[in-house]
Amino acid sequence: AQSVTQLGSHVSVSEGALVLLRCNYSSSVPPYLFWYVQYPNQGLQLLLKYTSAATLVKGINGFEAEFKKSETSFHLTKPSAHMSDAAEYFCAVSPYYGNNRLAFGKGNQVVVIP
Amino acid sequence: DAGVTQSPTHLIKTRGQQVTLRCSPKSGHDTVSWYQQALGQGPQFIFQYYEEEERQRGNFPDRFSGHQFPNYSSELNVNALLLGDSALYLCASSTYRMDRTDTEAFFGQGTRLTVV
Repeated sequence: AQSVTQLGSHVSVSEGALVLLRCNYSSSVPPYLFWYVQYPNQGLQLLLKYTSAATLVKGINGFEAEFKKSETSFHLTKPSAHMSDAAEYFCAVSPYYGNNRLAFGKGNQVVVIP
Repeated sequence: DAGVTQSPTHLIKTRGQQVTLRCSPKSGHDTVSWYQQALGQGPQFIFQYYEEEERQRGNFPDRFSGHQFPNYSSELNVNALLLGDSALYLCASSTYRMDRTDTEAFFGQGTRLTVV
């Protein structure tokens, strides 16, 4: 079964600094990977997804992620943190393309320090 | 477009009781998935409904059951509530395409269930 691992539940970043959230996956087949963001008292919003078309994936709000098969990773980055980026971020994997049975990591709570 | 709507937003139940949560999918969507998000954890897949039938199921006991109506809305029922069932329950909707794949899942804001 596919799974993802996110380390470090809380991540603090200074405003204007690089945001880096790590996600490693475990999959016996080509994975389909996602990053979601959850703002307080809201549902999940899709930031970006990897579906094997390109290894560098650009998403909304200036976020991007790079798929590295050799490292089984799909880390999320944003060059310059904004106060509005404070939220919880989840990495997820799908068993195959176009299947919404998603397996999520435990999430990273991002705090942006002014 | 109202998006995915869930009701109620908050609910408090006593151990052993039964609860029903409701979800209306985004306009144009025909598939509904349910997730349980315990405090400090990522969402866990419960099951998915399409054409009024359970299409996929995660690792949840039979106390968790669901239903989908002809208008594509869905209910999640949990019987014999345990303290451990306290969580945020998320509904996601999508469309099942002719090539047998799902479109992007859109999530509702969730129902916060507290079992006391």
